[in-house]
Amino acid sequence: GAGVSQTPSNKVTEKGKYVELRCDPISGHTALYWYRQSLGQGPEFLIYFQGTGAADDSGLPNDRFFAVRPEGSVSTLKIQRTERGDSAVYLCASSLASGGTDTQYFGPGTRLTVL
Amino acid sequence: AQSVTQPDIHITVSEGASLELRCNYSYGATPYLFWYVQSPGQGLQLLLKYFSGDTLVQGIKGFEAEFKRSQSSFNLRKPSVHWSDAAEYFCAVGANNNDMRFGAGTRLTVKP
Repeated sequence: GAGVSQTPSNKVTEKGKYVELRCDPISGHTALYWYRQSLGQGPEFLIYFQGTGAADDSGLPNDRFFAVRPEGSVSTLKIQRTERGDSAVYLCASSLASGGTDTQYFGPGTRLTVL
Repeated sequence: AQSVTQPDIHITVSEGASLELRCNYSYGATPYLFWYVQSPGQGLQLLLKYFSGDTLVQGIKGFEAEFKRSQSSFNLRKPSVHWSDAAEYFCAVGANNNDMRFGAGTRLTVKP
């Protein structure tokens, strides 16, 4: 079956612009996670959804970052007024459910470059 | 708060040699522990995980890891490394599967 997919694979934007990053989870997975991975670092948790609702958004760095999952499947991470420090690989993962032992399956990521 | 330390940024081993990647964690209760591998252009793939029970955990691709509570460690091992094992390896700790905190990673190079 298909894994987690993310689009675009690469995104180059200018400082101050708005960007949207998309994640398609594995079909049937109710939990969806967003991480940010800076160069030379491990993934850093941003937010996770259980169904349509954001169950934990404590990792979002500031109010320029927002994510939605309106129908409980596809999710979009939105970044307003991008800054050069936002440059990173944004990873999405999904699991059957959250809060337990189900494995998180990761997508290949979107590499965001802010010029 | 939980945290993970991977002391080795980069390790080089010869093909066929044994491998051990170190992971130390800080956590207030019994942790869930994970090892993921990330190859260039690929997503993170779970190698193995520990939740409870037997402290020696077997994973995919011939990897294993041992949970040692007294040392707060969860080191990853493989008896004989293959060239295809060259990748970045991440250890993670959490209270459950939605609370994972990752280490900074160890990059493995395999010499022919």
